[in-house]
Amino acid sequence: GEDVEQSLFLSVREGDSSVINCTYTDSSSTYLYWYKQEPGAGLQLLTYIFSNMDMKQDQRLTVLLNKKDKHLSLRIADTQTGDSAIYFCAEGKIKAAGNKLTFGGGTRVLVKP
Amino acid sequence: NAGVTQTPKFRILKIGQSMTLQCAQDMNHNYMYWYRQDPGMGLKLIYYSVGAGITDKGEVPNGYNVSRSTTEDFPLRLELAAPSQTSVYFCASSYLGRAEAFFGQGTRLTVV
Repeated sequence: GEDVEQSLFLSVREGDSSVINCTYTDSSSTYLYWYKQEPGAGLQLLTYIFSNMDMKQDQRLTVLLNKKDKHLSLRIADTQTGDSAIYFCAEGKIKAAGNKLTFGGGTRVLVKP
Repeated sequence: NAGVTQTPKFRILKIGQSMTLQCAQDMNHNYMYWYRQDPGMGLKLIYYSVGAGITDKGEVPNGYNVSRSTTEDFPLRLELAAPSQTSVYFCASSYLGRAEAFFGQGTRLTVV
């Protein structure tokens, strides 16, 4: 079956880099996503990567994908207090019967001044 | 653009009561979804729809019903509320051919 795993918590100092890790089991995933959820808010799509890519960079965000190990990571450079949130990894497949996203449990990131 | 709009934002229900969570999107997305998020957990798919008139069950459909009479609206119905349905409910939508979903702000439901 499909499963997405993340560590529960990450604490980082302001200005340092954060690295959030995720593993998934379904090798047929088409896309892999990172969503951010701030307190009391919905999920905001941060970035995504096609499964045939190894890396994607978008300003302070770098996504690395190791397909062999089914490992995805999100690096946030120069972490700011506004980056404190829960980050969800998700894997997705596009199907005629309905696109499907499977989410991990979320990693709570706390940025300390 | 409003995106995905959910109402209400908060609700307290008594056991056995019924309610409908509303969801509307103005992006002309084909696909719409209902998820629930329990504390410390990821999102679980309740129901989804690939277009008006077509709905299907997700991972955790028991205790819920949906309908999709228009492209824009996808209400979620709870018929006999139970404490196990205390959760935050998110509606989402996506384009045909794209798996990333756009989420509403959520409805926090407490059943007492």
